[in-house]
Amino acid sequence: SAVISQKPSRDICQRGTSLTIQCQVDSQVTMMFWYRQQPGQSLTLIATANQGSEATYESGFVIDKFPISRPNLTFSTLTVSNMSPEDSSIYLCSGRLAGVGFNEQFFGPGTRLTVL
Amino acid sequence: AQSVTQLDSHVSVSEGTPVLLRCNYSSSYSPSLFWYVQHPNKGLQLLLKYTSAATLVKGINGFEAEFKKSETSFHLTKPSAHMSDAAEYFCVVSVSGYNKLIFGAGTRLAVHP
Repeated sequence: SAVISQKPSRDICQRGTSLTIQCQVDSQVTMMFWYRQQPGQSLTLIATANQGSEATYESGFVIDKFPISRPNLTFSTLTVSNMSPEDSSIYLCSGRLAGVGFNEQFFGPGTRLTVL
Repeated sequence: AQSVTQLDSHVSVSEGTPVLLRCNYSSSYSPSLFWYVQHPNKGLQLLLKYTSAATLVKGINGFEAEFKKSETSFHLTKPSAHMSDAAEYFCVVSVSGYNKLIFGAGTRLAVHP
């Protein structure tokens, strides 16, 4: 398994500002992912964070709003840009371990974001 | 296309009674299926996974699930509920060769004394 940590665990931000969320994995992972969980909802995949190249975004999510970096195999950041109250959600990162098949993913504890 | 339907948004049981959380999936290919649990203010934890080896899958904390291809179901069960089982449970499907996980809407399990 893998242990995934996220910073910050929660934040309250003002409309129009940006927040960068960090995700750190204790093992090398082949893939890292970012999800959004809106209040009372299920998880939706935002993007796949690719090491050394641009992230792959899902339909409805764009790089200008959610820029993602992944400088190495164990670290990634997600920025929520120009925030509005609709961005209030829990943001989770996950990782898929090398050698573990069937797309089993391990999740971080999440970052609870409130936008005023 | 792949999808997951969790048939109950809320399930309430008494402590010591059986738990059944229902999940149906749709997949054009041989799926991998997972159950994750999310306790309040905690991250997601993998309960169990089906990866075509055995249709009856045993997970952590006494949970198990049975893959039934003819019914396209992957229901989660536990013989005896404990207060600590109260949480949100997600049924998840992934298609072999693809990295995307598709989450069901979730089932909130309440356990009463």
